Order: sequence, then structure tokens, then C-alpha cells
Amino acid sequence: SAVISQKPSRDICQRGTSLTIQCQVDSQVTMMFWYRQQPGQSLTLIATANQGSEATYESGFVIDKFPISRPNLTFSTLTVSNMSPEDSSIYLCSVSRDRETQYFGPGTRLLVL
Amino acid sequence: AQSVAQPEDQVNVAEGNPLTVKCTYSVSGNPYLFWYVQYPNRGLQFLLKYITGDNLVKGSYGFEAEFNKSQTSFHLKKPSALVSDSALYFCAVRALNNAGNMLTFGGGTRLMVKP
Repeated sequence: SAVISQKPSRDICQRGTSLTIQCQVDSQVTMMFWYRQQPGQSLTLIATANQGSEATYESGFVIDKFPISRPNLTFSTLTVSNMSPEDSSIYLCSVSRDRETQYFGPGTRLLVL
Repeated sequence: AQSVAQPEDQVNVAEGNPLTVKCTYSVSGNPYLFWYVQYPNRGLQFLLKYITGDNLVKGSYGFEAEFNKSQTSFHLKKPSALVSDSALYFCAVRALNNAGNMLTFGGGTRLMVKP
């Protein structure tokens, strides 16, 4: 497994502002992912964070809204830009070493007013 | 397309009784299947996975899952439920995307274990 931390654990933000979420892993991992879990819903993949190159976004998610960085093999950030109440969700990062099993961080609970 | 269905939004079971949380999948090629659990205000915890081999997979906290290829199912089971097992359970199937191994999740099943 892996020890994964996310910062902040929760936040309340005003619409129109941006929030950057950090994901830190205790050791190097091959892959890092960002998911969104809207209230009462399942998880949806936002993007795969690629080390040293642009993230790969899933359908319905764009870089201007959710810019992602991955400067090394243990750290990634997700920014939620120009937030609206519809962005209120839990944002989770996950990591994989073996390209099979993903392990998830504790999540960041975001409320946009 | 790859998909996972969890037909029950909620499963209620008495403590000490066996529990089953259902999952069916649709995938082209070999399925890689996973179960995760989410406790209140927590992230997802990995329980178990099926990649290949024995159809009965054992995982954390006494849980196990049975892969049934003919029925395209991967039901989660536990012989004796505990109140502390009450949580949200997600089944997931591995799909391939451009950058690697995307997980597609089911809608989740809330397990309620009553004393």
C-alpha cells in the first residue's frame, strides 16, 4: 500500500475563487490520479497526472478548469479554478505502483458558496 | 465500454449474519475487479482484487469476493457481519485509457449492520 496525505482536508470557498489541493505520497509511485465524488455519488476520474508532462483528462474535464501538476514521483496538485457551487465535492487523489491496484488519499471536502 | 453495476443502494443485515454486496460488470477482455470501502468522512480503502487465478479472493477485515465469469459477477461477502462494517462499498473494474489503468466505479452500496 502507500501512505497518502492531502491538503487541505476540507475548505469552504467563495464562488469565482480557486483552490489548489495537494497530494503527497510517502514513496515514489508510477501513477497518480485525481477523482471527484459529488455528494451522494460515486467516483469519477478527472485526470491522470503525468510526471513531467501534461495531465491526461477524461471526457468532460478540461485543463483550464482543473489544472494539474506533477513535478515528481511523490507529489501532485489539482487546482479547481473559478469555482461555482456545482464544484462542491470530495476530491481524491489515488496512486498506483504496480499499474493494477490504486490506493486513495483521505480526500479533500470542498464546499463552494 | 466498461461498466460496473451495484444493483442495491443499501443492504441491511443483522450483526453476526452473513452479508453479500452484489456487483456485476461488463468489460471486453479479461476483467480486473476491485472492492473498496469508504467509512464516513474518510477516503476509500482497498479491500481486495481479482486479477487472475482462484475465483474466491480473500481480502482485508475478513471480506472475500467470488468471481463468476458466466454470470459476470463479483459479489462481496463476509460470513459474519460486524456493526463496524457499516460503510459505503464500491465495486470497480479496471479499464485502459491513454495514460494507464483507469478504474470505473459502481454507484456504491451502503451496508448497514444492526446490533
